[in-house]
Amino acid sequence: AIRMTQSPSSFSASTGDRVTITCRASQGISSYLAWYQQKPGKAPKLLIYAASTLQSGVPSRFSGSGSGTDFTLTISCLQSEDFATYYCQQYYSYSTFGQGTRLEIK
Amino acid sequence: QLQLQESGPGLVKPSETLSLTCTVSGGSISSSSYYWGWIRQPPGKGLEWIGSIYYSGSTYYNPSLKSRVTISVDTSKNQFSLKLSSVTAADTAVYYCARGVTAPGWYFDLWGRGTLVTVSS
Repeated sequence: AIRMTQSPSSFSASTGDRVTITCRASQGISSYLAWYQQKPGKAPKLLIYAASTLQSGVPSRFSGSGSGTDFTLTISCLQSEDFATYYCQQYYSYSTFGQGTRLEIK
Repeated sequence: QLQLQESGPGLVKPSETLSLTCTVSGGSISSSSYYWGWIRQPPGKGLEWIGSIYYSGSTYYNPSLKSRVTISVDTSKNQFSLKLSSVTAADTAVYYCARGVTAPGWYFDLWGRGTLVTVSS
């Protein structure tokens, strides 16, 4: 099974900051990677698929990059509503999620 | 606008079978473009894909759960269902149903609100 490892597991930042979350796959997954945002008590929301394609309606401050085994999610200018937990997911072989990265307000 | 809604018992006894149904509204479950999936999240933990089903009945399961999982579809009711047998406390989780875009596994673009299932005697 393909394992997905995110880093960091949690960190704090301030509104207006530029932040980057990293996701690494245990084997190559081409660009079959998605990113989700989850707020407490809510279902995950799809942000990005195919490593870098923004889902309809998602603000352009979110961007994704990478291929193979290493991927990043970048939020260019943090807004208050962006403080949440973020998950990466590979769908190269079935589906596996990363353990999540919790983004907190500094 | 397509919506998904999970339903089923919120409490299941250990060793019994967990059964949930996802009702799809505002669109057809028989769309050729999508699979339909179940994902779960234990309290305070991450997401785990359980399995996916096509409207034709074709299924794929997480190998770690495969021996205990059955997913079925009822196109006449626009529903798909999850059965997880021999449950333990480790199966306590919020269970989500979601629409899966196939490529080649699935990413999930629409989700239900989720339902908490607690395994306890």
